[in-house]
Amino acid sequence: DAKTTQPNSMESNEEEPVHLPCNHSTISGTDYIHWYRQLPSQGPEYVIHGLTSNVNNRMASLAIAEDRKSSTLILHRATLRDAAVYYCILSAYNFNKFYFGSGTKLNVKP
Amino acid sequence: DGGITQSPKYLFRKEGQNVTLSCEQNLNHDAMYWYRQDPGQGLRLIYYSQIVNDFQKGDIAEGYSVSREKKESFPLTVTSAQKNPTAFYLCASSAAGTGGSYEQYFGPGTRLTVT
Repeated sequence: DAKTTQPNSMESNEEEPVHLPCNHSTISGTDYIHWYRQLPSQGPEYVIHGLTSNVNNRMASLAIAEDRKSSTLILHRATLRDAAVYYCILSAYNFNKFYFGSGTKLNVKP
Repeated sequence: DGGITQSPKYLFRKEGQNVTLSCEQNLNHDAMYWYRQDPGQGLRLIYYSQIVNDFQKGDIAEGYSVSREKKESFPLTVTSAQKNPTAFYLCASSAAGTGGSYEQYFGPGTRLTVT
């Protein structure tokens, strides 16, 4: 199964951009890259997903490397509400099955 | 409001008892999933169902059982055979079970404690 590697934790200042990296060197050509975030004792919340091209939505941007072996989630202006554990997830084309890693805990300082 | 409900939020059981966790969705989703989360860890897939009356084992199915008799409901039973049942259990659903690109919507979770 394809796996992802993320730093255990990162820190950011409020209102500054944050770049959360993810390595997925064993990704297959049809695996999608998803990002979710989770607050303590809550279910994960969708952030963004993509296949090959960079993606933008109201929450974040997703930059995918040309070889697809890595990706970066970009929060353009971090707020205190963005403090959470961020998961980079791969899902296989043959089934919408998610492979969760241990995630990156983002701390946002005021 | 559309969404996924899980009940109860907290559940306490004695060792050796079976317990059933509820998961209901009104999103008209075909696919549903059960995950387990241990402290400081990511989610691990227990069971998933692509369609009514069909389900498959995930990565850690031993000691668990499920049913999918209705599209809206996917209950999970934690049996006495599960050696370490204390965990946070999360249910999710998605529009389809194939394609890899569908967002999964998660419920609020049930925290099970077995003593």
